[in-house]
Amino acid sequence: DGGITQSPKYLFRKEGQNVTLSCEQNLNHDAMYWYRQDPGQGLRLIYYSQIVNDFQKGDIAEGYSVSREKKESFPLTVTSAQKNPTAFYLCASRITGGPHSPLHFGNGTRLTVT
Amino acid sequence: DQQVKQNSPSLSVQEGRISILNCDYTNSMFDYFLWYKKYPAEGPTFLISISSIKDKNEDGRFTVFLNKSAKHLSLHIVPSQPGDSAVYFCAARDSGGGADGLTFGKGTHLIIQP
Repeated sequence: DGGITQSPKYLFRKEGQNVTLSCEQNLNHDAMYWYRQDPGQGLRLIYYSQIVNDFQKGDIAEGYSVSREKKESFPLTVTSAQKNPTAFYLCASRITGGPHSPLHFGNGTRLTVT
Repeated sequence: DQQVKQNSPSLSVQEGRISILNCDYTNSMFDYFLWYKKYPAEGPTFLISISSIKDKNEDGRFTVFLNKSAKHLSLHIVPSQPGDSAVYFCAARDSGGGADGLTFGKGTHLIIQP
C-alpha cells in the first residue's frame, strides 16, 4: 500500500528544544512538502523539495530546517528559534513531470511545545 | 495578503440536498485549482481539481466550476451525505511561478444535517 507516513502522531517538547518530525513516502514521488495548520487557518507552506539534495523555503520557513538525502524521506526540524511551534504539521508529496498533479498528504503530526 | 479566500467558515446542509462551497482568488496567475476534504486529526484528502482551460469538471457526486473572469470557483456536492461532513479546503497553484506548492484557503466546515 503506497502512501505517506508521518511519525509520531503526537509529539510533546519543552520550549528551547529542537525536535524532528519524520516523513516517509513510498509513492516514488519526486517532490515533497511541509505545511503547517493552525486553528481556523489554512495550510501554510514551510519548505518544499523537488529533487533529492535540494530544497526551497516556503512562506513561513523561519525557525525550521529540512534535509532531503533520500527520495523517500523529508524530515522537518522545528528549532528553538521558531516562536510559535505548537501546530499540526502535514507532509505531502506529488509526482512531477507536469504542473497539474495534486498533493497527497500524510496524516500529520501534532506538536505541542510547553 | 490572502490570495485564496473561503468566506464561509461553516455551512449546514440537509442530507440529500446540494452543498455548494465557494472560493475566491486574487492571483490571476493561478492556473490549477483543487479541493481537499479534511477530517479532524487527519491529513487532507484530494477530491477534485480543474485547470484554468476548463470551466467545469465532474467526478461522481462532486463537480467543480471555475469562473476565471470573476476569479471564483465552487464545489457542488449532490446529493449530500452524512460522510461529507468535514472541512473543505480550496487550493490553487501558479504552475509558472517560481515557488512550488499550493496556496490554501482557510477552509469551510460543512455539516450535513440528517
